[in-house]
Formats: sequence, C-alpha cells, structure tokens
Amino acid sequence: EVQLVESGGGLVQLGGSLRLSCAASGFTFNSYEMNWVRQAPGKGLEWISYIGGRGGPIYYADSVRGRFTVSRDNAKNSLYLQMNSLRAEDTAIYFCAREDYGDFRPLDYWGRGTLVTVSS
Amino acid sequence: SSELTQDPAVSVALGQTVRITCQGDSLRSYYASWYQQKPGQAPVLVFYGKNKRPSGIPDRFSGSTSGNTASLTITGAQAEDEADYHCNSRDSSDNHYVFGPGTAVTVL
Repeated sequence: EVQLVESGGGLVQLGGSLRLSCAASGFTFNSYEMNWVRQAPGKGLEWISYIGGRGGPIYYADSVRGRFTVSRDNAKNSLYLQMNSLRAEDTAIYFCAREDYGDFRPLDYWGRGTLVTVSS
Repeated sequence: SSELTQDPAVSVALGQTVRITCQGDSLRSYYASWYQQKPGQAPVLVFYGKNKRPSGIPDRFSGSTSGNTASLTITGAQAEDEADYHCNSRDSSDNHYVFGPGTAVTVL
C-alpha cells in the first residue's frame, strides 16, 4: 500500500526556518517524481515544488522560489522541504504528493499533510 | 504563470447530475486532473487525462475537455460526493503545475 507521511510542521516565527519531511513507503520511491502542494486555511490548493526521481530537475512556484529548497534521499525513501525566511502567507497545510507516470502525470497519492503556522 | 478558474460553489439534488468546470489557457495544451477533498482530509484523485478514472473511483465520475475548458461530471450524485473539487494541469509557462481555486459541491 502506498503511504506518504509528512512531518516537521509547527509554529514558527516570522522570518524563521522549518524543514518538512515526507516518508514514503509501498512503492519504488526513486522511480517517481514528487511534489509539494500547500493549502492555506480556507483556501484552495497551491503547487509549490517538484523534484525528479533522481533529484532533478527541480521547479518552484514563484511564491517560494529563493526561499524554499526541495530535496530527496532515495536511500531513506524521503522527501524534504527546507523553508527559510518564512512569511505569514506561508501558513498552510503542506502535502507531499506522488506524480504518476505516463502522458497525463496526475498526483495520484497524497499524504495527510503537516500544518505550518508562521506567527509574528 | 497560467491560471485556472472554477465556480466557487454548486449544488445538486441527490441522484441528479452536476457538472463542474475549470477554465484556463493551459487546458488547450494539457489535460486536467480532478481531486476530491473532504474537510480535514487529503485530496483524492478522481479523474484525469482524456478518460482515466483511478481504481476504486465510482464510474459516476467522468470528465471531458473542450478548448480551454475541462469538466468533471457526477452522474447520480450521492451524499458522499459532497466535497471540494480541485482541478489542475501542467503549466504552459515556467511553473510545473497550476491548480484552480476549487469548487464546493453540496448535495441537497
């Protein structure tokens, strides 16, 4: 069974840093591209980052580029998101999601998310 | 970057049909994927591509695309279909993915 479990969220001060993790199981992790998607309270989903199966290519949304860094450790079946210079608008639930193969590449499995709250 | 638009909310009587739409320029190049999200839960993929439904998703969920508009249709809506529905697609510009704002579906 495919499982994705995020961790590392919490309360952080404005300008602070946090590192999120996503532990994957039930599939060959290094064969899949992975994404981070977030959802601010009461809002829609926002894609924020992508990483290829072997660590590249990497893409970021404009809203986080230069502040967030995505990485993965295929030996540990883990995905990471280093978040620096956090802003109030980064407050959200952060989901990791697996990108499926093929022509259409949907996000076919999601974790339950981890909540990040940025406070002044 | 590209944008996708969705109606904020729609309602449907139990057992009737509802169509949820998603509009955007990226849909002229890429098929949409549709995700169902219930309160406090992670999104679940319900339809993608030209006509793909993940295993375990009821066949009352179907999708279509015309021009810059993608649609998700629920034929014979059930109470458990009440949820937010998000569309997304690959992005024609420099971002990888783009999501619509979501549509809240109420089953009356």
